Amino acid sequence: EVQLVESGGGLVQPGGSLRLSCAASGSTFSDYEVNWVRQAPGKGLEWVSYISSSGGTIYYADSVKGRFTISRDNAKNSLYLQMNSLRAEDSAVYYCATEDWASSFDYWGQGTLVTVSS
Amino acid sequence: DIQMTQSPSSLSASVGDRVTITCRASQSISSYLSWYQQKSGKAPKLLIYAASTLRSGVPSRFSGSGSGTDFTLTISGLQPEDFATYYCQHNYSFGGGTKVEIK
Repeated sequence: EVQLVESGGGLVQPGGSLRLSCAASGSTFSDYEVNWVRQAPGKGLEWVSYISSSGGTIYYADSVKGRFTISRDNAKNSLYLQMNSLRAEDSAVYYCATEDWASSFDYWGQGTLVTVSS
Repeated sequence: DIQMTQSPSSLSASVGDRVTITCRASQSISSYLSWYQQKSGKAPKLLIYAASTLRSGVPSRFSGSGSGTDFTLTISGLQPEDFATYYCQHNYSFGGGTKVEIK
């Protein structure tokens, strides 16, 4: 079983940048495909981005394509999300979550809150 | 892109009730459907995957069924700890959620 802990959230102005991190422990991180999923205040879940176990395959939601970049460092057991050109509608709790063979999100972190406001 | 539609968006029920939540896919997804429970302020928790397989450690009062486009999550004998919001998911698409509240 893997444990995930997100960090890096905070208050940022519109147009600004932020880098989120997700630290993994308890299992071999390089075995896992990982995603970022976000949830705006009072709203539902929205998938943001996916990265394969090796980092060779990456996908983004249309809403963040060209502005966000997902990456990972398996040697550091870490996942990242570089967020540029932030907008008010990017305000949300951001979760990292592993993806299993059934395309389910089986392990989740506790989330980190990003607020985009002037 | 495949869209996932849940109904109802909310429901009120009493402890001991049988609760059914429906999820419909905009096109056939075979059995690639998962269900999550989310309590306020917490991360979602995987309950069921592959439409009907209960994740280890999840109480047996939770069950899932369906294939193709129509799926159901059933809670048989609602417990106080089951009051939460439930989401279905296929690949990178989530349903809008169903909030289960106390009657």
